[in-house]
Amino acid sequence: GAVVSQHPSRVICKSGTSVKIECRSLDFQATTMFWYRQFPKKSLMLMATSNEGSKATYEQGVEKDKFLINHASLTLSTLTVTSAHPEDSSFYICSADRQGARNEQYFGPGTRLTVT
Amino acid sequence: SQQGEEDPQALSIQEGENATMNCSYKTSINNLQWYRQNSGRGLVHLILIRSNEREKHSGRLRVTLDTSKKSSSLLITASRAADTASYFCATVDRGSTLGRLYFGRGTQLTVWP
Repeated sequence: GAVVSQHPSRVICKSGTSVKIECRSLDFQATTMFWYRQFPKKSLMLMATSNEGSKATYEQGVEKDKFLINHASLTLSTLTVTSAHPEDSSFYICSADRQGARNEQYFGPGTRLTVT
Repeated sequence: SQQGEEDPQALSIQEGENATMNCSYKTSINNLQWYRQNSGRGLVHLILIRSNEREKHSGRLRVTLDTSKKSSSLLITASRAADTASYFCATVDRGSTLGRLYFGRGTQLTVWP
């Protein structure tokens, strides 16, 4: 149990376009989901905390108008990278906090975004 | 933002040897967790140690926590080639209501057969 999926796993887009990444908890409900980005051979950087039914909480330095987060249900959060630029190219990973199990997050497999 | 540092940044060992990775952090924590990441993949949770615990075991893994030094170590005994991966520590701050995880930079472990 506790499987988190992401879609797509890989996306290549042109500068100026927007890209939506989905994060789903497949077999549990997640009131809270988290979005991270990771540069090659680097650590995960927390971008924002996504709460079902409310606005996301963004970490310092993360542009909320650039990275739109929607957590419409207890099993789905989406991250939209708006007007993408090459510097947005990165590995985006989501995680889900299993309801009632606050100490453990379950991670998705990640989405590789390349902006050309 | 990132919480702290792991060292070493990279570690290469032979199968059968033990691998020790260290992690330091900066804040008061509720718990510290270790994760593993295979190249280009998501993270797999390995072990969680709470701030009032000093040592924890899980199979070939042994984790220690020294809150006075704000440091933790992960020991993998009798390593296997399949243990090759990046290992990250992550902390949850004391008093955190949302369970945010802050990751260290990671240690790239390579185990040679």
